[in-house]
Amino acid sequence: EAQVTQNPRYLITVTGKKLTVTCSQNMNHEYMSWYRQDPGLGLRQIYYSMNVEVTDKGDVPEGYKVSRKEKRNFPLILESPSPNQTSLYFCASSLSAEQGGHQPQHFGDGTRLSIL
Amino acid sequence: KQEVTQIPAALSVPEGENLVLNCSFTDSAIYNLQWFRQDPGKGLTSLLLIQSSQREQTSGRLNASLDKSSGRSTLYIAASQPGDSATYLCAVFDNAGNMLTFGGGTRLMVKP
Repeated sequence: EAQVTQNPRYLITVTGKKLTVTCSQNMNHEYMSWYRQDPGLGLRQIYYSMNVEVTDKGDVPEGYKVSRKEKRNFPLILESPSPNQTSLYFCASSLSAEQGGHQPQHFGDGTRLSIL
Repeated sequence: KQEVTQIPAALSVPEGENLVLNCSFTDSAIYNLQWFRQDPGKGLTSLLLIQSSQREQTSGRLNASLDKSSGRSTLYIAASQPGDSATYLCAVFDNAGNMLTFGGGTRLMVKP
C-alpha cells in the first residue's frame, strides 16, 4: 500500500531535549516536505527536498533541521525544542516536476508535538 | 510572497445542496493548484489537482476550476451529503514547483 509514515504520532517532551520525527514513503517520490499546522495560521511549509541531498527552506524553517540521505526518508530534527514549536506536523511526498510534474501530495497522518 | 485566501471560513448547509468554495491567490505564476480534504484529527487527502495550463478538473460530484490570470479557483460540490463534512483546503505550488502555500481552509458542515 502506498503510504507516508510518520513516527511518533504523539509526543510530549520538555524544552531543550533534542527530538527527531521520522518520515518514510514507499512510492519512490523525489519530492518530500514538512508542514506545521496551527490554529488560525493554517498549514505552513517548514522544509522541502527535491531529491537526495537536496533540501531547502520553506516559510518557517527557524528552529528546525532536516536531512535527506536516502530517497525514502526525510526526518525532521528539533535540536533544542521550545514551547512555540508545539504544533501538529505533517510530512508529505509526491513526484517532482522533473519526474513528470507534481502529482497530488500524499500526506502522513500527522505528529502532534507538545513541548513543555 | 504568495498568499492564499479561502472564503468562506465556515459553511453550514442542508443535505442535497450544491455549493461553491472559493480560493484566491496573489501570485498567478503557479505550477499547479490542489484541493484537499481534512477530517478532524486526520491527515490531508488530495481531491483534485489542476495544472497551471488547465481550466478545470472533475471527480465524481466534485468540480474544480482555475482562472490563473485572476488568481482564483472554485471547488463545486454537487448534491452535498453529510459525509462531505470536513475542512477543505486549497494550495498552490510556486512556478518552479518547489514551495506549496495553503489557504486557511473552509470548514463545511452538511446537515442531514
